[in-house]
Amino acid sequence: EDQVTQSPEALRLQEGESSSLNCSYTVSGLRGLFWYRQDPGKGPEFLFTLYSAGEEKEKERLKATLTKKESFLHITAPKPEDSATYLCAVLTSGYSTLTFGKGTMLLVSP
Amino acid sequence: ETGVTQTPRHLVMGMTNKKSLKCEQHLGHNAMYWYKQSAKKPLELMFVYNFKEQTENNSVPSRFSPECPNSSHLFLHLHTLQPEDSALYLCASSQPAGAHSYEQYFGPGTRLTVT
Repeated sequence: EDQVTQSPEALRLQEGESSSLNCSYTVSGLRGLFWYRQDPGKGPEFLFTLYSAGEEKEKERLKATLTKKESFLHITAPKPEDSATYLCAVLTSGYSTLTFGKGTMLLVSP
Repeated sequence: ETGVTQTPRHLVMGMTNKKSLKCEQHLGHNAMYWYKQSAKKPLELMFVYNFKEQTENNSVPSRFSPECPNSSHLFLHLHTLQPEDSALYLCASSQPAGAHSYEQYFGPGTRLTVT
């Protein structure tokens, strides 16, 4: 059974304090790994797709990386508006649907 | 309207009521999804439609009944719900399975409270 585990469950940072969120997965044949941002009471907002180990993608203060067992979402010099829950999901061979992790709740204080 | 829209945004219903949730996507996608999101749990996939045909039903109780009249619209009909069905219900759309670009785009959700 495919499993996606995100850590930590919650992370509190000071503004400007860089850190990383982790998404580890146990799947049979990864076709893609997806990162989403979700604000309270809203739907998830798509951020990145990573397809193969070694791939990296960046958007403003966010950078996503992928290895054969996990993905990291690096947040550089975060601002309070980066506060949200960040979700990771995987698409695997033989399936046409995403398996989501529970998410990491990020709070950035000014 | 752009992206994926959902109505209503909030719904309070009694256990004997019948109501429907509506989703519309303006992205030209051919796959649509219903998810349930409860506190402290991962998103739970409920139903999948590809080209208007239901392709997955994740053992969802029959009190939830989906309908997909065309590739742009998706409904979730609700009847005789239980308090544990209270959650955020999310609709999403994407290119169909097998497409190169498979990102799912979500609507804002309907916050459902069953009393």
